[in-house]
Amino acid sequence: DAKTTQPPSMDCAEGRAANLPCNHSTISGNEYVYWYRQIHSQGPQYIIHGLKNNETNEMASLIITEDRKSSTLILPHATLRDTAVYYCITLWGGSNYKLTFGKGTLLTVNP
Amino acid sequence: EPEVTQTPSHQVTQMGQEVILRCVPISNHLYFYWYRQILGQKVEFLVSFYNNEISEKSEIFDDQFSVERPDGSNFTLKIRSTKLEDSAMYFCASSEGQGAKPQHFGDGTRLSIL
Repeated sequence: DAKTTQPPSMDCAEGRAANLPCNHSTISGNEYVYWYRQIHSQGPQYIIHGLKNNETNEMASLIITEDRKSSTLILPHATLRDTAVYYCITLWGGSNYKLTFGKGTLLTVNP
Repeated sequence: EPEVTQTPSHQVTQMGQEVILRCVPISNHLYFYWYRQILGQKVEFLVSFYNNEISEKSEIFDDQFSVERPDGSNFTLKIRSTKLEDSAMYFCASSEGQGAKPQHFGDGTRLSIL
């Protein structure tokens, strides 16, 4: 699975959009981009994933660049409860599906 | 919304004792996983399980560890003889299918070895 690079921390004002970047320059054609988050010491929470196309669900949007070397997770209206560590992970569709977590980005949403 | 449930939420055990951590995966899921997170460190993969056998395991998952799906609903992680360094949060996860299907995690069991 490709290695990902994320900033260690970001701040966002409550009610504003949070844009979390991720670089995955060595991603291969059949690797998905997954985003999870971990609030305090709870279990990782699945947010969204995509392969090539941009994706949107009730939690977030995922924008993947055309060359697939980077992506951005967008939380459209961040709330205090979105304060968490966000992980960007690539995962081969045909693998045994183990998720390799890095250090992620600590997003702090400020009032 | 269906969720993965884990029991107990906190387990305190004496070093050298056996411990069993329990998980109830989401009912229509076929793939099961255990991860652990030592305090302040990354979440680490331990083992994946499909069709009643281990699909993959990490170096952490040595002979002291075993997994079992004793019935149609539970998925357990056993540590045979616990060590101090086994103290961690243990997370169970399940997924419907392969890489295109997300893994969903439980809230974990905090294991404290004394």
